[in-house]
This record gives sequence, structure tokens and C-alpha cells, in this order.
Amino acid sequence: QKEVEQNSGPLSVPEGAIASLNCTYSDRGSQSFFWYRQYSGKSPELIMFIYSNGDKEDGRFTAQLNKASQYVSLLIRDSQPSDSATYLCAVMDSSASKIIFGSGTRLSIRP
Amino acid sequence: NAGVTQTPKFRILKIGQSMTLQCTQDMNHNYMYWYRQDPGMGLKLIYYSVGAGITDKGEVPNGYNVSRSTTEDFPLRLELAAPSQTSVYFCASSPQGSSYNEQFFGPGTRLTVL
Repeated sequence: QKEVEQNSGPLSVPEGAIASLNCTYSDRGSQSFFWYRQYSGKSPELIMFIYSNGDKEDGRFTAQLNKASQYVSLLIRDSQPSDSATYLCAVMDSSASKIIFGSGTRLSIRP
Repeated sequence: NAGVTQTPKFRILKIGQSMTLQCTQDMNHNYMYWYRQDPGMGLKLIYYSVGAGITDKGEVPNGYNVSRSTTEDFPLRLELAAPSQTSVYFCASSPQGSSYNEQFFGPGTRLTVL
């Protein structure tokens, strides 16, 4: 059973600080990795995608990938109250036909 | 473009009843997916399809059936509803043949089985 593991949280971070979210995966053949944000009662929306080892930056968001350690992380700089949501890590499996989701980390930004 | 649409938004079923959750996308995506999300949990893949006429099981297919007769539509059928199927159901679609396989989600169907 291919798995994607996340700490469920809640992770509480003061406004303006860096929030760090982590994810590990079991399928060594996985090629693509995603971070989705989900507000309460809403559907998930894609915020970051990464497929190469290293860092990928987009505005206040940085995704980091380490395939040797099977580890993906998401950093949110200058955290805002609007960043309070559940963040879902997702991994495309080695068949490249389906995406497996982690259970999500609930992030709370306190003013 | 409407994107991915799902109907109904809410439904209450009695144990043993059946229903079909509708999902339609207008982006000409070949890949479509059904997920369920239990409270405080992530998404579990129920079934997926890589094109019209082709479906395959995901992580939690028991109690569900799907069909894919057209590119646009991917209905999910519950034959004998059970309380364990109380969940939020999301349909998603994605483009074909790319390692950047972003999924576009519908708004969800909140199902309660009593």
C-alpha cells in the first residue's frame, strides 16, 4: 500500500513567521509532488507542484523535495491569517495515473 | 468554462438506498477521479478513469461503482448505502499525458447515510 504521511497538527504559527509543513512518501518511483490548500468546507486547490530535487519558489511559498530521503516540504514565509487552512501533500504514483493524498496538516496563523 | 461540476451538493440517504453522484467537466480532460473525504482526514481515491470506457479501482472501491461512457461525465453509483459511506465526495479531472498532472476539483457532495 503506497502511503503519504503528514503530521495532522494543528500547527500554530504567529503572523509574519515561517510555517514549515512536512510530508514523507513510500513509493520510490514517484515522480511528481503536489501541495494543495483546503479551506474548511471547500474543495482543495493546487498551490505548488515540484518534480525535481531541490527547491521551487513561488511568491511566499517554497516547496522542497529530497527524493533520496522521500521527503517533501512546504515553507510559507511571512505567514498571514488567510494562510490558515489544511495543507494536503499529494504524490503521483509510479504508474503516473493516480495521485495519493496525505491526511493533511491543519495550519493556524495567530495574529 | 464551468470546470468540474457536481450534483447534488447535499443528500441524506437511508440505509440500503441507492443513488448516483453526478460529475461533469467541460475542459476535455481525459483523466477523472472520485475521492471521499471523511471529517479531519485526507482524500481517499475511490475510482479513477484515464479515458472514456476505461475505469480502475482506487484505494477504497468497495460499495461503489462507476462508468465512463463519455469524456465529460463520470458518475459514481452507491448501490446499498451504509453509514460508513457518510462523507464528502469530490470529483476531479486532469489533463492527459503530462507529469504535471494538476487535478481540478469540483465543489463536492456532502452525503449523510442514516
